[in-house]
Order: sequence, then C-alpha cells, then structure tokens
Amino acid sequence: EDQVTQSPEALRLQEGESSSLNCSYTVSGLRGLFWYRQDPGKGPEFLFTLYSAGEEKEKERLKATLTKKESFLHITAPKPEDSATYLCAVQNTGTASKLTFGTGTRLQVTL
Amino acid sequence: GAVVSQHPSWVICKSGTSVKIECRSLDFQATTMFWYRQFPKQSLMLMATSNEGSKATYEQGVEKDKFLINHASLTLSTLTVTSAHPEDSSFYICSARRTGGGDEQYFGPGTRLTVT
Repeated sequence: EDQVTQSPEALRLQEGESSSLNCSYTVSGLRGLFWYRQDPGKGPEFLFTLYSAGEEKEKERLKATLTKKESFLHITAPKPEDSATYLCAVQNTGTASKLTFGTGTRLQVTL
Repeated sequence: GAVVSQHPSWVICKSGTSVKIECRSLDFQATTMFWYRQFPKQSLMLMATSNEGSKATYEQGVEKDKFLINHASLTLSTLTVTSAHPEDSSFYICSARRTGGGDEQYFGPGTRLTVT
C-alpha cells in the first residue's frame, strides 16, 4: 500500500525566514510525486510534478526536490501570502491515475 | 488555463434526500475526472475515478449505489449523494486530468455538504 507522510504537521515562520517541508513516501513504483497548495475551504492548487530522483522544480519562492525516498519543498524568504496547507501526493505506476495524498503541512507566515 | 468549477459551492439538505454536485472543466477537455472527500484537518480521500462514457471505478469501502457518478461529456462529471445521512456531511472536491496532458490533476473549489 502506498504511503505518504508529511512533516512537520504545522510550521510557523516569520516573513523572510526560509525553511523546508518534508514528504516521505513508500510506493512500489513511483510514476510521479506532486505538490499542491490548499487554502482553507478551497480545492488544492497544483504546484509541481517530479518524476525522478534528482529532479528539481522552481516557482517563485518555492523549490521542490526529489530523492528515492522523500521530497522537500523549500520556501525561500516566505511572505504572509504563502500561508496555506501544502499537500504532497504520489502516483503509483501500477494504479493508473490514482493519487495518494499526505495529510499536509499547515504553514503560517507572520509579519 | 486548467480551471475546474464545482456547483454548488455549498448545500444543505435534509436526511433522506438526494443532492447532485456538478464538476466542470472550463478550458480543457478531461477524459478522466476524480471525486474526493475531505474531512476537517485531514487529507483528501479518493472516492472514485470516472472516465467519459464509461462506468466509474470506486475505491474500496465507497458505496457505488449511494454515490452515483456520471461522466457524460469531456467537460462534465456529476456526483449524486443518494438518501443522504448526517454522516455524509463533508467537503467534496472533484479534479480533472487534461486529455492528452500530463499526470497532474486540477482541482475544483469544492462543495460543502451539510445533511441535517
């Protein structure tokens, strides 16, 4: 069974204080790892897809990296508008399009 | 691009009634759409996968006769919660994969269902 574990569960940062969120995964065959951002009461917003170890993707203050066991979402100099829950999900090569999600990291960025 | 809408955004219904939720891909075609359920402070749980023109595939433990899914066109999927009970109250979110696109799913804004 595919498993995704995200840590920390919650993170509070001051504006400009960089940090990283972790996503550890167990999957028999990784087709892709996905990062999403979710604001309260809304659906997830797609951020990145990573397919192979060593791959990196960047978007504004966010950078996602992938190893064979985990992925990191690095947030550089965050702003209050980066406050959200960040979700990680994996897609198994054997289960078609199904995504297995972690429980997310709730990020709060304060002034 | 890649906008998904849901209607309604929230609904309150009485126990025993049925409610239909629509999911539309507004600017792309989606052969495959997904329905998720999310409880407070918990992650998304996949309920079913629907492919245009064919029967939905339900995840283990999801009652297919209770949660009816129809994917009649490349831009529209519907979820009907039949004979709703208070325990069906939840946040329902749909997603869509772009036909011929990558593996990423684009999510709708969600529908908050409250059954009284």
